[in-house]
Amino acid sequence: KAGVTQTPRYLIKTRGQQVTLSCSPISGHRSVSWYQQTPGQGLQFLFEYFSETQRNKGNFPGRFSGRQFSNSRSEMNVSTLELGDSALYLCASTPGLADLSSYNEQFFGPGTRLTVL
Amino acid sequence: DAKTTQPNSMESNEEEPVHLPCNHSTISGTDYIHWYRQLPSQGPEYVIHGLTSNVNNRMASLAIAEDRKSSTLILHRATLRDAAVYYCILRDQAGGTSYGKLTFGQGTILTVHP
Repeated sequence: KAGVTQTPRYLIKTRGQQVTLSCSPISGHRSVSWYQQTPGQGLQFLFEYFSETQRNKGNFPGRFSGRQFSNSRSEMNVSTLELGDSALYLCASTPGLADLSSYNEQFFGPGTRLTVL
Repeated sequence: DAKTTQPNSMESNEEEPVHLPCNHSTISGTDYIHWYRQLPSQGPEYVIHGLTSNVNNRMASLAIAEDRKSSTLILHRATLRDAAVYYCILRDQAGGTSYGKLTFGQGTILTVHP
């Protein structure tokens, strides 16, 4: 079974631009979560999508948004980029059944390294 | 989310056991204890989880204190590949706010010497 894939792996943008990152979950997984990892703040939860609906959200400004498609692939978008948005963005997938015990194991992708200049 | 406390770093020699501690004094009755690790230049990967009883799997063992205020991840024979940041995470599996969310702390950087 293929793992979680993220594209692109590396990205360089300038302040004020916007960016879209893509995540393809493991086949059959319906839940996709997004995380931001920085040296200062560590790994922080952004949001989670299940069946094309945002079901959980972290404490990030509205510039960070996401969506999920009917095939469970997910994208996240960051508008009006700031220098502080430079980070590794990770996505993770789970089967996402209603039973919360299915979330015991999240499968992470390799991440997208975003650099904002 | 309840907070966990882990040492910033630990060192071990190859093929020796490693005991990684985690304190979680404010753990609630519905919090599961999860461990993930992040190898260099990779996303985190699941290691093990438990609620009250000790747990074993092919990667590690999880020892949970009787009062559940602390736990220990045990790697029985460390290898160089086990060098990673290890995260101890509490996850409330009773509430909807847990959907898809893991709250990571700073973790423990494990160095394994040949």
